[in-house]
Amino acid sequence: DADVTQTPRNRITKTGKRIMLECSQTKGHDRMYWYRQDPGLGLRLIYYSFDVKDINKGEISDGYSVSRQAQAKFSLSLESAIPNQTALYFCATSAGTSGVDTQYFGPGTRLTVL
Amino acid sequence: AQSVAQPEDQVNVAEGNPLTVKCTYSVSGNPYLFWYVQYPNRGLQFLLKYITGDNLVKGSYGFEAEFNKSQTSFHLKKPSALVSDSALYFCAVREGGGFKTIFGAGTRLFVKA
Repeated sequence: DADVTQTPRNRITKTGKRIMLECSQTKGHDRMYWYRQDPGLGLRLIYYSFDVKDINKGEISDGYSVSRQAQAKFSLSLESAIPNQTALYFCATSAGTSGVDTQYFGPGTRLTVL
Repeated sequence: AQSVAQPEDQVNVAEGNPLTVKCTYSVSGNPYLFWYVQYPNRGLQFLLKYITGDNLVKGSYGFEAEFNKSQTSFHLKKPSALVSDSALYFCAVREGGGFKTIFGAGTRLFVKA
């Protein structure tokens, strides 16, 4: 079984709709992250959480919100989706020990906002 | 501020030939450097990292990378490319002691049989 899972894998929605992307992990990691990937821009950090009570904005948090329901679950919400939020979204985890912090990624969610 | 540059959008190489995927970085402190690979319809997978010590780092699938502090580079290399190495490769940097990882834009490697 995959260590980091994301649901749904693909989603098509309309402008103005509320969307939630979910991430679960079985790695026992404290740190979780949400990134979006756009062609030619690499990965950009949306939000990150170092534990259940610690949630922080990344470089492109506007239009997004998150919830850390448990150590293993971290969801990303788009309250009112817009077309420029069409992207590939990745969840990642890391152990957060010794500062090295290798990240482990889920398979991604492809979101299309019409 | 931290930054990462991958100057090539695409690298083409014939199977069996050596490959290099370039990466340069900028951080104010000591860098932690990473390479990740992304296969189609998959998430990023960790390949290797440099934290300290030997400048030549060996990783998964026969890849290695050389840290060059004077040139602020961390190029990914493999002595003999395989068609199955075709994928999107990301370089990433974190300032030592920091928590934010910055990813490059990615380089698509195409290995021709």
